[in-house]
Amino acid sequence: DVVLTQTPPTLSATIGQSVSISCRSSQSLLHSNGNTYLNWLLQRPGQPPQLLIYLVSRLESGVPNRFSGSGSGTDFTLKISGVEAEDLGVYYCVQSTHAPNTFGAGTKLELK
Amino acid sequence: VQLVESGGGLVQPGKSLKLSCSASGFTFSSYGMHWIRQAPGKGLDWVAYISSSSGTVYADAVKGRFTISRDNAKNTLYLQLNSLKSEDTAIYYCARSGTYGYWGQGVMVTVSS
Repeated sequence: DVVLTQTPPTLSATIGQSVSISCRSSQSLLHSNGNTYLNWLLQRPGQPPQLLIYLVSRLESGVPNRFSGSGSGTDFTLKISGVEAEDLGVYYCVQSTHAPNTFGAGTKLELK
Repeated sequence: VQLVESGGGLVQPGKSLKLSCSASGFTFSSYGMHWIRQAPGKGLDWVAYISSSSGTVYADAVKGRFTISRDNAKNTLYLQLNSLKSEDTAIYYCARSGTYGYWGQGVMVTVSS
């Protein structure tokens, strides 16, 4: 199975600070059809996860553009340009290029 | 799009439970569906997938014990949980395949004597 390694496990930020989260895969996530099925989710306390970014860098409708995704192959990054209070929670990367789908262990974003 | 899980509860080890996920707002028969679980205080753990044509894939931890199925006429996804263990205690979410853009609110399953 593909292993997704997220770093850091915990991130402390002040409001307005820009932060990045890394997701590294044990295998390339480039599908034979040319797409890379790597998404980013945010789970706020007591809520189901919500989609932020799909196909590495495509912003889900309604998600603020302070969120951006980048990367290719095995290395991916989620960047938040100017953290807001509503961004606090746990961020997960998830891959659906390979079966079974797998999730990263999560990165908890806290207020400093 | 709306996904609503039901069927959770407290069950003894070794017993069975059947979860349901009622779907609305999209053409259910056209989409694959996932079950994902989250143990208390832990991360997300993919459990099973069923394609639109009812092909299935399972995580090793549940293979042979859990069965995913669907009834397109009822717009409902199921997860049959057999031979339950304490480590199966979790919130179980259904999610639509594709981008993981749509999730239910989740249903709690507690396995304890």
